[in-house]
Amino acid sequence: GENVEQHPSTLSVQEGDSAVIKCTYSDSASNYFPWYKQELGKRPQLIIDIRSNVGEKKDQRIAVTLNKTAKHFSLHITETQPEDSAVYFCAASIQGYQKVTFGTGTKLQVIP
Amino acid sequence: NAGVTQTPKFQVLKTGQSMTLQCAQDMNHNSMYWYRQDPGMGLRLIYYSASEGTTDKGEVPNGYNVSRLNKREFSLRLESAAPSQTSVYFCASSDPALGGTEAFFGQGTRLTVV
Repeated sequence: GENVEQHPSTLSVQEGDSAVIKCTYSDSASNYFPWYKQELGKRPQLIIDIRSNVGEKKDQRIAVTLNKTAKHFSLHITETQPEDSAVYFCAASIQGYQKVTFGTGTKLQVIP
Repeated sequence: NAGVTQTPKFQVLKTGQSMTLQCAQDMNHNSMYWYRQDPGMGLRLIYYSASEGTTDKGEVPNGYNVSRLNKREFSLRLESAAPSQTSVYFCASSDPALGGTEAFFGQGTRLTVV
């Protein structure tokens, strides 16, 4: 089955700096890669996703990149703000398939 | 539109007790899931149901049973709770037929087994 590795497990940045979280996946058939944000005590919520026919996708201060050959994808947050502090999960799945495999999460702390 | 609703939010059980976690969604999704979340382990799939009337094991099914009561409801049962089942449980739903596999999560159930 699919295996998703996520690094780092914790990340501290100064407000205004950029943050990068990296994930690798094992199943070359995976073609859908969502990212979830989980604030303390709350449910995970989708913040951005990318499909394998696209190399990069941006949404305001958030961007994701995908390298299918190397089987890795990354989340980039620019101009970080305190409200970006949360746990971020990457995930991989085969589009249209029911099961999504999650990474182990990255706790991001943005220091004011 | 409530999305995915789980009950209860908190529960303390003694070892050996049983309980059922309830989950309901109002988005007309076909697929529903139960995950557990443990520190440093991410979200691990316990069971899922691709459609009404079907259920399948996920990554960590031992000690759990599920029932897909109808399209809206998917329950998780612990027959004989163990301390290793102390965790936060999330129910989720999605509909791959809509073109993606975005999962919508419930608010979670924090379960402690003593």
